[in-house]
Amino acid sequence: EPEVTQTPSHQVTQMGQEVILRCVPISNHLYFYWYRQILGQKVEFLVSFYNNEISEKSEIFDDQFSVERPDGSNFTLKIRSTKLEDSAMYFCASRTTGVQKLFFGSGTQLSVL
Amino acid sequence: AQTVTQSQPEMSVQEAETVTLSCTYDTSESDYYLFWYKQPPSRQMILVIRQEAYKQQNATENRFSVNFQKAAKSFSLKISDSQLGDAAMYFCAYVNAGGTSYGKLTFGQGTILTVHP
Repeated sequence: EPEVTQTPSHQVTQMGQEVILRCVPISNHLYFYWYRQILGQKVEFLVSFYNNEISEKSEIFDDQFSVERPDGSNFTLKIRSTKLEDSAMYFCASRTTGVQKLFFGSGTQLSVL
Repeated sequence: AQTVTQSQPEMSVQEAETVTLSCTYDTSESDYYLFWYKQPPSRQMILVIRQEAYKQQNATENRFSVNFQKAAKSFSLKISDSQLGDAAMYFCAYVNAGGTSYGKLTFGQGTILTVHP
């Protein structure tokens, strides 16, 4: 079965630094998402992306966050100036049109020191 | 806004026995989907089962089945013949059907399932 790929699996950064989390969605998928999960808590929606623009975002997704699809295969989440509270597992997900199933990547664990 | 509630923070079951995990949700929508996701220690999100709200028949996937009560807004997961590999965190999730809003899942708080040999 095709997979959503996320890199790196772990990222450690200093507070105030910029990080970019990378995702390669499944090749024929058109809708892309980022979710995050703080340790011990539930998974939370961050943003959805379709047709090269954000279609919906949550309150968490403030001006420090941005997403981009720089080429035909990658989908990235950038955190401009990381805070301690950004430490979490970040999941990328994708789906194709008309298929009511979201495919999740294996996540990137971000640790902000 | 939709909410999803899992009232059981932890559950345990003996291997080969049956366990039921509870989930309730709140929505004013009539067309939506409900899911159960399994999250093992690796933290990968694995789809266990999916239910379309317009279908009255309860979904089943091998040892996993749901009891979907639309009027009561209840969506429980039954695991039969529990195996050690079923031990994980289980999340109930909701999404509105259709349009670009699909994919914005709302998750419950999760239930940690322990399976005893």
